[in-house]
Amino acid sequence: KAGVTQTPRYLIKTRGQQVTLSCSPISGHRSVSWYQQTPGQGLQFLFEYFSETQRNKGNFPGRFSGRQFSNSRSEMNVSTLELGDSALYLCASSLGQVTGDEKLFFGSGTQLSVL
Amino acid sequence: AQRVTQPEKLLSVFKGAPVELKCNYSYSGSPELFWYVQYSRQRLQLLLRHISRESIKGFTADLNKGETSFHLKKPFAQEEDSAMYYCALIDEAGGTSYGKLTFGQGTILTVHP
Repeated sequence: KAGVTQTPRYLIKTRGQQVTLSCSPISGHRSVSWYQQTPGQGLQFLFEYFSETQRNKGNFPGRFSGRQFSNSRSEMNVSTLELGDSALYLCASSLGQVTGDEKLFFGSGTQLSVL
Repeated sequence: AQRVTQPEKLLSVFKGAPVELKCNYSYSGSPELFWYVQYSRQRLQLLLRHISRESIKGFTADLNKGETSFHLKKPFAQEEDSAMYYCALIDEAGGTSYGKLTFGQGTILTVHP
């Protein structure tokens, strides 16, 4: 089974631009979650999508948005980039069950650098 | 707000020595706790979860609700255990916890030969 695939692997953007990151979950997984990882803040939850609907959201500004397609692939968009948005963005997929012991499978991440 | 604290950023032990990675949490409900691990140049992956009460690669973790802790232990560390370890929690299934893990800051474990 192929793992979670994130593209691109690296991105360099300038302040004010916007960026779109892509995530393809494991086949059969309907839930996709996004995390931001920085040295200072660690891993922080952005949002989660299931069956094309956002079910959960973290404490990030509205510049961070996402969507999910009917094939469960997900995209994350950041508009009006700021220097502080430089981070590793991780995507995780799961079956999306209600139970609290849901196992997340992570991708390798997209390293975003904002200059 | 829920919080996970891993007090040690770095932990070094010698091969064959016992190792304990500390994790404390603050959460008002009944949490589900996990340990995730990231080996060098690999993806973040689940090591174990308390609900399964399992032992993976010789590691165990016991949930102590009185001390609000979920420390990760291994009696005899191996060099291949060197990695970054994250403690994480998810709130009890209730319709708002989907995909949302609250992570600690992580502990880098180095096992010396």
